[in-house]
Amino acid sequence: NAGVTQTPKFQVLKTGQSMTLQCAQDMNHEYMSWYRQDPGMGLRLIHYSVGAGITDQGEVPNGYNVSRSTTEDFPLRLLSAAPSQTSVYFCASSYGASEGKQFFGPGTRLTVL
Amino acid sequence: AQSVSQHNHHVILSEAASLELGCNYSYGGTVNLFWYVQYPGQHLQLLLKYFSGDPLVKGIKGFEAEFIKSKFSFNLRKPSVQWSDTAEYFCAVNKDTDKLIFGTGTRLQVFP
Repeated sequence: NAGVTQTPKFQVLKTGQSMTLQCAQDMNHEYMSWYRQDPGMGLRLIHYSVGAGITDQGEVPNGYNVSRSTTEDFPLRLLSAAPSQTSVYFCASSYGASEGKQFFGPGTRLTVL
Repeated sequence: AQSVSQHNHHVILSEAASLELGCNYSYGGTVNLFWYVQYPGQHLQLLLKYFSGDPLVKGIKGFEAEFIKSKFSFNLRKPSVQWSDTAEYFCAVNKDTDKLIFGTGTRLQVFP
């Protein structure tokens, strides 16, 4: 099993550009989520999904869109990047949020100029 | 707003010192509680979790945590830290919904 994979590992964008961060898992997990990690602020939940076709907002959803067309994939879209979105983004998956053991991807470091 | 608080932002210890990291949450009712660790350059790993039962939970690498319902706390402890424990530690809470909410993290530095 590859676990949770994320691409790209690094990305630099200009303000106003759009892009999609990819996340995939091969563990047949129903629950997937996106977090951003910023110094002094810990991990903040952006969006999450409890299964294919179902998504919901987390703590900081503004500026981000998600979709879940398959169990395996959970892409995060930035429609119009802003410098405030400079961060490290982590995707995670588990059988359920309350199941406990979330598997985290290696992260994507995004810089918006 | 409901939240998870970690009041120790940065802790510096010498090897063999005892460790206690605070975690408080503001959700009422039944909660599931977790501690995650992020070693330098790595992604998060689960240290331990509490769902129900014995409020003293033992995790990997000699860590333990105690759930005190009356204090809404889930503090992480280790009797004797090692240099290899240098990492960032995150408390997390799940209640009812499928959201897992993290605290702001505590950076631990252990010096030999």
